Amino acid sequence: DGGITQSPKYLFRKEGQNVTLSCEQNLNHDAMYWYRQDPGQGLRLIYYSQIVNDFQKGDIAEGYSVSREKKESFPLTVTSAQKNPTAFYLCASSRQGPPRSNQPQHFGDGTRLSIL
Amino acid sequence: QKEVEQNSGPLSVPEGAIASLNCTYSDRGSQSFFWYRQYSGKSPELIMSIYSNGDKEDGRFTAQLNKASQYVSLLIRDSQPSDSATYLCAVTWSLTGNQFYFGTGTSLTVIP
Repeated sequence: DGGITQSPKYLFRKEGQNVTLSCEQNLNHDAMYWYRQDPGQGLRLIYYSQIVNDFQKGDIAEGYSVSREKKESFPLTVTSAQKNPTAFYLCASSRQGPPRSNQPQHFGDGTRLSIL
Repeated sequence: QKEVEQNSGPLSVPEGAIASLNCTYSDRGSQSFFWYRQYSGKSPELIMSIYSNGDKEDGRFTAQLNKASQYVSLLIRDSQPSDSATYLCAVTWSLTGNQFYFGTGTSLTVIP
């Protein structure tokens, strides 16, 4: 079955440590996204990528980094510079649609990150 | 600043009733509109997408879009306890490509 796989489901970060969240999709989607969701909050965009080897910062990119070396993969690194990383992290992907008709985003199951 | 606003609720309706969820958005350059359902502790799942003014129906769900008034709504007919979740509205703007802007969501509880 096609879908978006995020791993791990739960992740714990120690002080000063970088951690990497994995996101893989086999939907042949061009665009991929990373969101952060805090309790009772909406989704805030961290980074997005519309094609391989290209990505753009979202609204809250500070303390995060990404790469897009393959169409299927869009890993997110939470660096030690991100002082409040505890949140639910969601990866999404979408097709490129015709002009003025954006395609819906589909989400993975998410990764919960906590500080030890 | 592009904004998407939803009443956070909680909204409670009895089983079998119609639940009405509303979303307003800023800017008239908006393009596409989506409703997602998110169960507690889970990721959002797409319910409806709507691109042009008017109503779009899919089973018990109807999305209504009014671009002149800058609102989009979701009606859930014959509400079931399994519909209890948070509903997220998402909007894209023509100048920002496929970047989605999400509201904070409305919590719906369907009372058996």
